[in-house]
Amino acid sequence: GESVGLHLPTLSVQEGDNSIINCAYSNSASDYFIWYKQESGKGPQFIIDIRSNMDKRQGQRVTVLLNKTVKHLSLQIAATQPGDSAVYFCAENGAGNQFYFGTGTSLTVIP
Amino acid sequence: SAVISQKPSRDICQRGTSLTIQCQVDSQVTMMFWYRQQPGQSLTLIATANQGSEATYESGFVIDKFPISRPNLTFSTLTVSNMSPEDSSIYLCSVVTGSRSGNTIYFGEGSWLTVV
Repeated sequence: GESVGLHLPTLSVQEGDNSIINCAYSNSASDYFIWYKQESGKGPQFIIDIRSNMDKRQGQRVTVLLNKTVKHLSLQIAATQPGDSAVYFCAENGAGNQFYFGTGTSLTVIP
Repeated sequence: SAVISQKPSRDICQRGTSLTIQCQVDSQVTMMFWYRQQPGQSLTLIATANQGSEATYESGFVIDKFPISRPNLTFSTLTVSNMSPEDSSIYLCSVVTGSRSGNTIYFGEGSWLTVV
């Protein structure tokens, strides 16, 4: 059955510091992963992706690290800004091009 | 990328009624999906909306409760039937398109339903 009233893990960082958000995925056969950002009242927005043949990919202020051995993803945000405050989800692809989402982490940036 | 429009964006629904959510995409896409996001939780895949055939439902979701239509490659509907307060959620339409790295999923802004 489904659980009601679960709260997302939270992370608070000072403005200007670096943030690291972690995610464990479940399927060792997944070969493509995406990080999403969801601001309050909005749908999820694509941040960065990585394929399983890579262990690191960098974007603008963001870096995704993939450790296939332990099925772990992380999202690093450099010089975190107040506009980065949001919930962050990792997603892994399924066999039929579906995507399955992790629990999510709520990031709060303290000015 | 794809631009996805959902209607309604918000609604307050009476217990026992049904509501149909519409999803319009600005381009033809093969793969469309419906997700649910309950308060404070992550996104859960409800079903794959297949054009010209019945939707493919994930475990825990059934057609009688969440009937889906997909008449063409740019449009889909999700109906939430016989609603109860537990159905209060954000319902998100999504599409998958190709990118350099692989397929990427894009979302609409969601339909925020409150059942009273």
